[in-house]
Amino acid sequence: GAGVSQTPSNKVTEKGKYVELRCDPISGHTALYWYRQSLGQGPEFLIYFQGTGAADDSGLPNDRFFAVRPEGSVSTLKIQRTERGDSAVYLCASSPKGDNTEAFFGQGTRLTVV
Amino acid sequence: AQSVTQLGSHVSVSEGALVLLRCNYSSSVPPYLFWYVQYPNQGLQLLLKYTTGATLVKGINGFEAEFKKSETSFHLTKPSAHMSDAAEYFCAVRLSNFGNEKLTFGTGTRLTIIP
Repeated sequence: GAGVSQTPSNKVTEKGKYVELRCDPISGHTALYWYRQSLGQGPEFLIYFQGTGAADDSGLPNDRFFAVRPEGSVSTLKIQRTERGDSAVYLCASSPKGDNTEAFFGQGTRLTVV
Repeated sequence: AQSVTQLGSHVSVSEGALVLLRCNYSSSVPPYLFWYVQYPNQGLQLLLKYTTGATLVKGINGFEAEFKKSETSFHLTKPSAHMSDAAEYFCAVRLSNFGNEKLTFGTGTRLTIIP
């Protein structure tokens, strides 16, 4: 595709459930980033992949959050035992190399935990 | 470590007037600085960036920003506002040392254009 694609665009889940959010980066982009944007806030860094490996996961808030990128392309952000505080827009971005000077963002997945 | 402060969560300007959105940063090493725009129901779009070189950078849609190290600022300006400029604007900073890929964003400024 032409841009970063995130699915689903909206997800409503019950407290305590497990969710997966998917990101398809721009073809050929080696770097992939996840951010979380809460209402009224700027995006907050979660994790960064260079290829298949997580180069920096310092932003993951706790061990309920996990992300994978097994083939160096598509990435999945996984949230276990969801809590109401996890409600936010989850943004994915990719860049053609690891210097992050040209990061392209997807439209995000709006997660609502009820 | 790095941080960004955007002064004014909401800014309103008349169509045709100067747009000035303020951004101050702190950074432990020379920073890379960015402005992103977010239109309703759309993703973040890069407006402009400063990495090295000329401190006055020009971006898309007539916006520009000037890196002022002495003031630790990277304010965004546009000489004449258009209705289509109404959106949310985010300033972001990244450390320039190799291997640091994390963008730190400000809380955003919502720009309203008055007809």
